[in-house]
Amino acid sequence: GAVVSQHPSWVICKSGTSVKIECRSLDFQATTMFWYRQFPKQSLMLMATSNEGSKATYEQGVEKDKFLINHASLTLSTLTVTSAHPEDSSFYICSARDLQGIYEQYFGPGTRLTVT
Amino acid sequence: QKEVEQDPGPLSVPEGAIVSLNCTYSNSAFQYFMWYRQYSRKGPELLMYTYSSGNKEDGRFTAQVDKSSKYISLFIRDSQPSDSATYLCAMSPPVAGNNRKLIWGLGTSLAVNP
Repeated sequence: GAVVSQHPSWVICKSGTSVKIECRSLDFQATTMFWYRQFPKQSLMLMATSNEGSKATYEQGVEKDKFLINHASLTLSTLTVTSAHPEDSSFYICSARDLQGIYEQYFGPGTRLTVT
Repeated sequence: QKEVEQDPGPLSVPEGAIVSLNCTYSNSAFQYFMWYRQYSRKGPELLMYTYSSGNKEDGRFTAQVDKSSKYISLFIRDSQPSDSATYLCAMSPPVAGNNRKLIWGLGTSLAVNP
């Protein structure tokens, strides 16, 4: 149980283009989903918290106009990196919290983004 | 001072050893404690989840919380090469509402050598 998928698992795009990453909870409903960014050999950096049907809450220093988050249903959240630049290259991971859960988060496998 | 401190290692042990991984924290309000395992280029996997103080055991894994010392531990018995991964601690105080988020340690890199 508590399976989260992400798509795509890796993507290469050109500078200036936009990339959309999908995060789905497959066997549970998630009111809340989280988007993280992780650089090599570093810990998880929370970018934003998204709640179904409402605007995402972004962490300090994260540009909300650059990283667009949509949480349209209890099983799907999307992150769109707009006008991507090479410095946006990173490992993006989503997590979801079960409706019945308290604090535990279940993670997707991650998406590796490379911007050339 | 960071809210959660975790030695990044790397930690290298022989197969079969008992591994001890630790985190310290500064916020006495933290009540929920988790350990995640992350293999290279994968998302973290929830291993153990404890509330408040005490011990919790699951197979070869034991999680301990000492709130008086603000110290949590994860013990791995009979370690296996497949346990080689990064182990992250995460914790949170009780917070109302949906935006309950976790505070993360840096992660400890563990290598179990055959």
